[in-house]
Amino acid sequence: AQSVTQLDSQVPVFEEAPVELRCNYSSSVSVYLFWYVQYPNQGLQLLLKYLSGSTLVESINGFEAEFNKSQTSFHLRKPSVHISDTAEYFCAVSENQAGTALIFGKGTTLSVSS
Amino acid sequence: NAGVTQTPKFRILKIGQSMTLQCTQDMNHNYMYWYRQDPGMGLKLIYYSVGAGITDKGEVPNGYNVSRSTTEDFPLRLELAAPSQTSVYFCASSYPGLSYEQYFGPGTRLTVT
Repeated sequence: AQSVTQLDSQVPVFEEAPVELRCNYSSSVSVYLFWYVQYPNQGLQLLLKYLSGSTLVESINGFEAEFNKSQTSFHLRKPSVHISDTAEYFCAVSENQAGTALIFGKGTTLSVSS
Repeated sequence: NAGVTQTPKFRILKIGQSMTLQCTQDMNHNYMYWYRQDPGMGLKLIYYSVGAGITDKGEVPNGYNVSRSTTEDFPLRLELAAPSQTSVYFCASSYPGLSYEQYFGPGTRLTVT
């Protein structure tokens, strides 16, 4: 069975500062890794995913995450955040086969202030 | 495409009442899922389906039932509502292709009092 630990429940930062949201997972099989974002009163949207290949994956809005197999981590980073990045971020893992349900972490609330 | 739609958006139930949360997707996805989201707990899988006529339990199935008579629809039934079922419910779907992405609906916020 898989599990996901998001190490910070809340991360407050100032606009234009860098941010890192930490995610560790455990699994006895190979996994796929995902970051989802949830804006207030909305559903979840996929931010980025790691399936295979390059361990550094990027989103279109400046976030990136690096898969580190030895440390079983998939931390999310952004070099300069905006007010609009304020949201809840969920790390999720699934077995590496189609249709497998996602196992979610408890979420990290990113609050960006000016 | 509308993607994944859920109705209703909000609902208040009294203890012991029943209701059905509707979920429809128009992307011809084989796989569909129901999750519940509780504050500070992330999302937990209630039930999932790999195709019409096939359903299976997730992590927290007690108190819920599902059916999947068509590819498009995956309703979630609460038979005897309890306060512990107060939550936000999300339906999701995916297709066994290269992306492995799950597409989520906007959610149903349910309060049981």
